[in-house]
Amino acid sequence: DAGITQSPRYKITETGRQVTLMCHQTWSHSYMFWYRQDLGHGLRLIYYSAAADITDKGEVPDGYVVSRSKTENFPLTLESATRSQTSVYFCASTRDRMNTEAFFGQGTRLTVV
Amino acid sequence: GQQVMQIPQYQHVQEGEDFTTYCNSSTTLSNIQWYKQRPGGHPVFLIQLVKSGEVKKQKRLTFQFGEAKKNSSLHITATQTTDVGTYFCVGDSWGKLQFGAGTQVVVTP
Repeated sequence: DAGITQSPRYKITETGRQVTLMCHQTWSHSYMFWYRQDLGHGLRLIYYSAAADITDKGEVPDGYVVSRSKTENFPLTLESATRSQTSVYFCASTRDRMNTEAFFGQGTRLTVV
Repeated sequence: GQQVMQIPQYQHVQEGEDFTTYCNSSTTLSNIQWYKQRPGGHPVFLIQLVKSGEVKKQKRLTFQFGEAKKNSSLHITATQTTDVGTYFCVGDSWGKLQFGAGTQVVVTP
């Protein structure tokens, strides 16, 4: 039972480069989320998705792009990485709109230099 | 939009003492959840409260949901070193989960 997995776990990239963080879940959960975690800010919602091909902005979407062509995958792309996007990124999923216990991946620590 | 505020931001507790962390939402919530994140780890679900005025207990942890479904509290009795971590309340607005900033708990032996 793999659950929800993120890759890579650690990434260093240069300013201006495009980078994609992967998230895969094996439960067929409807909802998936991307959060970033920074000191003093807790977890801030970047984007979320209620189902395949349905995505919506969260609190801090600027500079990020998401897609969800398949239920199990929810990649997050930084189109042109900036140093302010250095953070720990967490992907999460919930079963549906009524069963909202969230299951989190292990996180991706991204450093933009 | 919906905002979830959590206080205090930091809590230093001596082992054996009690403490409470509070959560307030700017809007009425369908339910509220609590998560714990150990240092270096990811958030892990603790509990969900749905009903107005609901109180739930998990061993030394007591969770409460306000009558107006806009606030919540987590009370920990007889704190242990295993309680170290950050506790988040999460407001659920019909599937969209909004995290509070968390209360970081440090336990002194």
